[in-house]
Amino acid sequence: SQQGEEDPQALSIQEGENATMNCSYKTSINNLQWYRQNSGRGLVHLILIRSNEREKHSGRLRVTLDTSKKSSSLLITASRAADTASYFCATANQAGTALIFGKGTTLSVSS
Amino acid sequence: GAVVSQHPSWVICKSGTSVKIECRSLDFQATTMFWYRQFPKQSLMLMATSNEGSKATYEQGVEKDKFLINHASLTLSTLTVTSAHPEDSSFYICSARNPQGNTEAFFGQGTRLTVV
Repeated sequence: SQQGEEDPQALSIQEGENATMNCSYKTSINNLQWYRQNSGRGLVHLILIRSNEREKHSGRLRVTLDTSKKSSSLLITASRAADTASYFCATANQAGTALIFGKGTTLSVSS
Repeated sequence: GAVVSQHPSWVICKSGTSVKIECRSLDFQATTMFWYRQFPKQSLMLMATSNEGSKATYEQGVEKDKFLINHASLTLSTLTVTSAHPEDSSFYICSARNPQGNTEAFFGQGTRLTVV
Protein backbone atom coordinates (compact mmCIF):
# COMPACT_ATOMS: atom_id res chain seq x y z
CA SER A 1 0.00 0.00 0.00
CA GLN A 2 1.14 3.56 -0.52
CA GLN A 3 1.37 6.15 2.16
CA GLY A 4 -0.02 9.12 0.34
CA GLU A 5 0.03 11.53 -2.48
CA GLU A 6 2.73 13.69 -3.89
CA ASP A 7 2.19 16.68 -6.04
CA PRO A 8 2.88 17.65 -8.60
CA GLN A 9 3.22 14.31 -10.37
CA ALA A 10 5.50 15.97 -12.91
CA LEU A 11 7.44 19.21 -12.84
CA SER A 12 9.45 20.82 -15.62
CA ILE A 13 11.69 23.78 -14.90
CA GLN A 14 14.74 25.57 -16.23
CA GLU A 15 18.18 25.36 -14.69
CA GLY A 16 18.61 27.84 -11.89
CA GLU A 17 14.95 27.79 -10.88
CA ASN A 18 13.70 26.31 -7.64
CA ALA A 19 11.65 23.12 -7.55
CA THR A 20 9.10 22.41 -4.84
CA MET A 21 7.50 19.03 -4.32
CA ASN A 22 4.84 18.21 -1.77
CA CYS A 23 3.97 15.00 -0.02
CA SER A 24 1.02 14.05 2.16
CA TYR A 25 0.83 11.02 4.39
CA LYS A 26 -1.91 9.27 6.29
CA THR A 27 -0.63 7.85 9.56
CA SER A 28 1.33 9.23 12.49
CA ILE A 29 5.08 9.14 11.94
CA ASN A 30 8.41 9.22 13.77
CA ASN A 31 10.16 10.63 10.75
CA LEU A 32 9.75 11.23 7.05
CA GLN A 33 12.40 10.67 4.41
CA TRP A 34 12.96 11.84 0.88
CA TYR A 35 14.62 9.72 -1.78
CA ARG A 36 15.72 10.31 -5.32
CA GLN A 37 15.61 7.82 -8.18
CA ASN A 38 17.33 8.26 -11.49
CA SER A 39 15.55 6.52 -14.34
CA GLY A 40 15.89 2.77 -14.13
CA ARG A 41 18.05 2.85 -11.03
CA GLY A 42 17.76 2.25 -7.30
CA LEU A 43 16.89 4.92 -4.78
CA VAL A 44 19.27 7.24 -3.00
CA HIS A 45 18.51 8.71 0.39
CA LEU A 46 18.42 12.51 0.41
CA ILE A 47 17.26 13.70 3.79
CA LEU A 48 15.37 12.62 6.91
CA ILE A 49 13.25 14.90 9.03
CA ARG A 50 12.02 13.81 12.45
CA SER A 51 8.48 14.39 13.65
CA ASN A 52 9.63 17.00 16.16
CA GLU A 53 11.42 19.00 13.48
CA ARG A 54 9.73 21.57 11.28
CA GLU A 55 12.48 22.31 8.82
CA LYS A 56 15.79 20.83 7.78
CA HIS A 57 18.47 21.83 5.31
CA SER A 58 21.09 19.87 3.43
CA GLY A 59 23.03 21.70 0.76
CA ARG A 60 20.51 22.87 -1.84
CA LEU A 61 17.74 20.85 -0.24
CA ARG A 62 15.23 22.19 2.22
CA VAL A 63 12.58 19.98 3.75
CA THR A 64 9.64 21.08 5.84
CA LEU A 65 7.27 18.99 7.87
CA ASP A 66 3.82 19.89 9.14
CA THR A 67 2.54 17.05 11.29
CA SER A 68 -0.78 18.79 11.92
CA LYS A 69 -1.48 18.68 8.18
CA LYS A 70 0.39 15.41 7.66
CA SER A 71 2.41 16.95 4.88
CA SER A 72 5.99 17.62 3.89
CA SER A 73 7.67 19.59 1.15
CA LEU A 74 11.03 19.27 -0.57
CA LEU A 75 12.58 22.36 -2.07
CA ILE A 76 15.54 22.11 -4.41
CA THR A 77 17.12 25.50 -4.94
CA ALA A 78 19.13 26.60 -7.96
CA SER A 79 18.28 23.44 -9.82
CA ARG A 80 20.67 21.78 -12.25
CA ALA A 81 20.10 19.45 -15.17
CA ALA A 82 21.62 16.70 -13.03
CA ASP A 83 18.70 17.07 -10.60
CA THR A 84 16.44 15.48 -13.22
CA ALA A 85 15.00 12.42 -11.48
CA SER A 86 11.98 11.14 -9.60
CA TYR A 87 11.62 12.14 -5.98
CA PHE A 88 9.73 10.14 -3.39
CA CYS A 89 8.79 10.73 0.18
CA ALA A 90 8.67 7.72 2.48
CA THR A 91 7.48 6.85 5.94
CA ALA A 92 7.66 3.67 7.96
CA ASN A 93 4.96 1.04 7.76
CA GLN A 94 2.86 0.07 10.76
CA ALA A 95 5.47 -2.41 11.95
CA GLY A 96 8.07 0.34 11.77
CA THR A 97 10.31 -1.74 9.56
CA ALA A 98 9.75 -1.19 5.86
CA LEU A 99 9.42 2.13 4.08
CA ILE A 100 6.21 2.98 2.30
CA PHE A 101 6.58 5.41 -0.57
CA GLY A 102 4.46 8.16 -1.98
CA LYS A 103 3.62 8.26 -5.67
CA GLY A 104 6.54 10.49 -6.46
CA THR A 105 7.25 13.61 -8.44
CA THR A 106 9.14 13.41 -11.71
CA LEU A 107 11.36 16.46 -12.04
CA SER A 108 12.81 17.52 -15.36
CA VAL A 109 15.37 20.31 -15.38
CA SER A 110 16.33 21.65 -18.77
CA SER A 111 19.47 23.61 -19.48
CA GLY B 1 28.75 4.45 2.93
CA ALA B 2 26.73 1.30 3.17
CA VAL B 3 26.11 -0.51 -0.06
CA VAL B 4 23.44 -2.91 -1.15
CA SER B 5 24.23 -4.85 -4.29
CA GLN B 6 21.56 -6.43 -6.46
CA HIS B 7 22.13 -8.90 -9.26
CA PRO B 8 21.36 -9.20 -12.10
CA SER B 9 20.57 -5.67 -13.21
CA TRP B 10 18.42 -6.98 -16.01
CA VAL B 11 17.15 -10.36 -17.16
CA ILE B 12 14.99 -11.64 -19.97
CA CYS B 13 13.33 -15.00 -19.52
CA LYS B 14 10.76 -17.15 -21.24
CA SER B 15 7.25 -17.61 -19.89
CA GLY B 16 7.06 -20.50 -17.47
CA THR B 17 10.65 -20.32 -16.31
CA SER B 18 11.91 -19.12 -12.94
CA VAL B 19 14.25 -16.24 -12.25
CA LYS B 20 16.34 -15.63 -9.16
CA ILE B 21 17.37 -12.15 -8.05
CA GLU B 22 20.03 -11.67 -5.40
CA CYS B 23 20.37 -8.84 -2.92
CA ARG B 24 23.50 -8.49 -0.83
CA SER B 25 24.37 -6.06 1.92
CA LEU B 26 28.09 -5.42 1.53
CA ASP B 27 28.95 -3.29 4.53
CA PHE B 28 26.66 -4.53 7.27
CA GLN B 29 24.67 -7.49 8.44
CA ALA B 30 21.02 -7.14 7.58
CA THR B 31 18.63 -9.28 9.56
CA THR B 32 15.83 -7.77 7.53
CA MET B 33 15.68 -6.88 3.86
CA PHE B 34 12.80 -5.59 1.78
CA TRP B 35 11.63 -6.35 -1.73
CA TYR B 36 9.77 -3.82 -3.83
CA ARG B 37 8.21 -3.87 -7.25
CA GLN B 38 7.93 -0.84 -9.48
CA PHE B 39 5.91 -0.50 -12.67
CA PRO B 40 6.85 2.15 -15.25
CA LYS B 41 6.24 5.69 -14.06
CA GLN B 42 4.86 4.45 -10.77
CA SER B 43 6.04 4.30 -7.20
CA LEU B 44 7.60 1.41 -5.34
CA MET B 45 5.20 -1.13 -3.92
CA LEU B 46 6.39 -3.18 -0.97
CA MET B 47 6.11 -6.87 -1.78
CA ALA B 48 7.59 -8.55 1.25
CA THR B 49 9.91 -8.29 4.20
CA SER B 50 12.68 -10.85 4.17
CA ASN B 51 13.73 -12.10 7.60
CA GLU B 52 17.04 -13.89 8.13
CA GLY B 53 16.48 -17.42 9.32
CA SER B 54 12.70 -17.29 9.21
CA LYS B 55 9.82 -16.94 6.80
CA ALA B 56 9.29 -13.78 4.83
CA THR B 57 6.33 -11.55 5.57
CA TYR B 58 4.31 -10.85 2.44
CA GLU B 59 2.14 -7.84 1.79
CA GLN B 60 -1.51 -8.34 1.03
CA GLY B 61 -2.09 -9.45 -2.51
CA VAL B 62 1.43 -10.78 -3.09
CA GLU B 63 1.51 -14.49 -3.86
CA LYS B 64 4.08 -16.16 -1.64
CA ASP B 65 4.24 -19.25 -3.84
CA LYS B 66 5.02 -17.15 -6.87
CA PHE B 67 7.56 -14.85 -5.28
CA LEU B 68 9.79 -17.07 -3.18
CA ILE B 69 12.04 -15.28 -0.75
CA ASN B 70 15.02 -16.84 0.99
CA HIS B 71 17.18 -15.02 3.51
CA ALA B 72 19.73 -17.67 4.34
CA SER B 73 22.46 -15.42 5.69
CA LEU B 74 22.82 -12.00 7.25
CA THR B 75 24.09 -10.54 3.99
CA LEU B 76 22.01 -12.25 1.32
CA SER B 77 18.35 -12.35 0.41
CA THR B 78 17.03 -13.84 -2.80
CA LEU B 79 13.76 -13.35 -4.62
CA THR B 80 12.73 -16.08 -7.05
CA VAL B 81 9.94 -15.33 -9.49
CA THR B 82 8.53 -18.76 -10.26
CA SER B 83 6.71 -19.74 -13.43
CA ALA B 84 7.11 -16.23 -14.74
CA HIS B 85 4.48 -14.68 -16.97
CA PRO B 86 4.62 -11.49 -19.04
CA GLU B 87 2.62 -9.66 -16.37
CA ASP B 88 5.49 -10.30 -13.96
CA SER B 89 7.67 -8.06 -16.09
CA SER B 90 8.65 -5.20 -13.84
CA PHE B 91 11.47 -3.49 -11.99
CA TYR B 92 12.32 -5.23 -8.73
CA ILE B 93 14.31 -3.42 -6.05
CA CYS B 94 15.65 -4.63 -2.73
CA SER B 95 16.65 -2.57 0.26
CA ALA B 96 18.15 -2.98 3.69
CA ARG B 97 18.76 -0.87 6.74
CA ASN B 98 21.87 -0.91 8.81
CA PRO B 99 20.62 -1.93 12.24
CA GLN B 100 23.47 -0.03 13.83
CA GLY B 101 22.73 3.21 12.09
CA ASN B 102 19.81 5.55 11.67
CA THR B 103 16.64 4.74 9.80
CA GLU B 104 18.02 5.50 6.35
CA ALA B 105 17.46 2.66 3.88
CA PHE B 106 19.95 1.55 1.26
CA PHE B 107 18.74 0.27 -2.07
CA GLY B 108 20.08 -2.11 -4.64
CA GLN B 109 20.41 -0.99 -8.23
CA GLY B 110 17.24 -2.78 -9.19
CA THR B 111 16.55 -5.65 -11.60
CA ARG B 112 14.61 -5.13 -14.79
CA LEU B 113 12.74 -8.38 -15.48
CA THR B 114 11.24 -8.94 -18.90
CA VAL B 115 9.23 -12.10 -19.47
CA VAL B 116 8.66 -13.00 -23.09
